[in-house]
Order: sequence, then structure tokens, then C-alpha cells
Amino acid sequence: DTGVSQNPRHKITKRGQNVTFRCDPISEHNRLYWYRQTLGQGPEFLTYFQNEAQLEKSRLLSDRFSAERPKGSFSTLEIQRTEQGDSAMYLCAGTGSGSTDTQYFGPGTRLTVL
Amino acid sequence: QKEVEQNSGPLSVPEGAIASLNCTYSDRVSQSFFWYRQYSGKSPELIMSIYSNGDKEDGRFTAQLNKASQYVSLLIRDSQPSDSATYLCAVMVGSARQLTFGSGTQLTVLP
Repeated sequence: DTGVSQNPRHKITKRGQNVTFRCDPISEHNRLYWYRQTLGQGPEFLTYFQNEAQLEKSRLLSDRFSAERPKGSFSTLEIQRTEQGDSAMYLCAGTGSGSTDTQYFGPGTRLTVL
Repeated sequence: QKEVEQNSGPLSVPEGAIASLNCTYSDRVSQSFFWYRQYSGKSPELIMSIYSNGDKEDGRFTAQLNKASQYVSLLIRDSQPSDSATYLCAVMVGSARQLTFGSGTQLTVLP
């Protein structure tokens, strides 16, 4: 157990609906990452927070996606107007402030868009 | 060319054998490399990190790094059926120090 939790674990939604996922890292994780993983592929980077600041976003993160990390603790990832292509596992990873710190993943949220 | 490439497998080895997993990467400035194990339907779990050229051993696992050849490998000795999983190679890149993953190698250890 990495101490990183994610909720919900599974989400089924209809195309066009909005969904929000939550990630709770441990208190030492001042850096937080979101990744997306589709079947048969490795995780792909979406966005990165250092404390409460969102410092980098992948081009994969379309304008339908938004992420926040208020107060530098938990983070949320919202997808608006979901599409079937958004179906994937959404993974959150936390790490400390060192340059080589390992990223520890939460259990993920599996999204299915019907 | 993908930034991180792995043999997709599947790779099958008998119980007790050595499993060898390979990974190449394209970014010469990368300094940090990781192997994660992922069971079906679960999230990636760290096995090893390696930062310097050479070998790093942890129990039955040995990671090998050759920066000149841009190559990193993972050896699993005395493979067990519980080692059956997908193994992901990851390279830390960019100012955000995000991970770039290969597609993974599916390993099956046959009893």
C-alpha cells in the first residue's frame, strides 16, 4: 500500500456527462501527477502539481479536462462532456521533493464511457 | 520512434528460470529509470529504480543500466508464478520529472 488513495475506483458514465475523480496522496507528497492508461499501453502523463501549483500539462489534456489541487493536498481531475475515447484507467502518483524521488501510484479510477 | 521501447512479449519462462526484460530509451539526458510491475486490473507497483551505470540488485531482481547504449534491463532470478504480470519500464524526463513509460512486457511464469 503506497498510501495514495483514489476515488471512485470505478465510474461508468454516459457520453456527454461530466465526471470528477479525486486523489489523496500522503502528506509528504508535495509533487502529484496524473496519468492515463489505456489497455495494452503504459501510463501517459497528463499533468503535474507541485504543492497547489499546476506546473505542466500534456497536450493530451484537452480543454475538456481540468485538474486542481487546492491547498496542495488532495487533487481532483474533471472531464467535461465525456467521450468514449476517454475510457481508460486514470492514475494518480505522488512523490517527495527530491530530484530522483520515486512516484508511488494510487489504485486508479477506471472510467467507462458508454 | 517511441521514447521508451520494450519487447511487448508475451514472454514465458518456466518456474525457477531467469526472466530477462529489456528496454531502450531515446532521450540521452535521462538520468532516472524505473521498473514497475502491474498485475491485471491493478496500478503500477515499483520494483526497482536505477540511476547509475551498472547493476543494482534487490533480492531476486537485478536492474542493469547502460547510458551509452541507452539501455536498461531487469533480470528476475528464480522466477515464480506470482511474478506473472506486465513489467513497465519508465524513464524520468522533462522539467516536471514526469515518467515516460514503455508499453510493457507481459511475463508469464509457468509452474
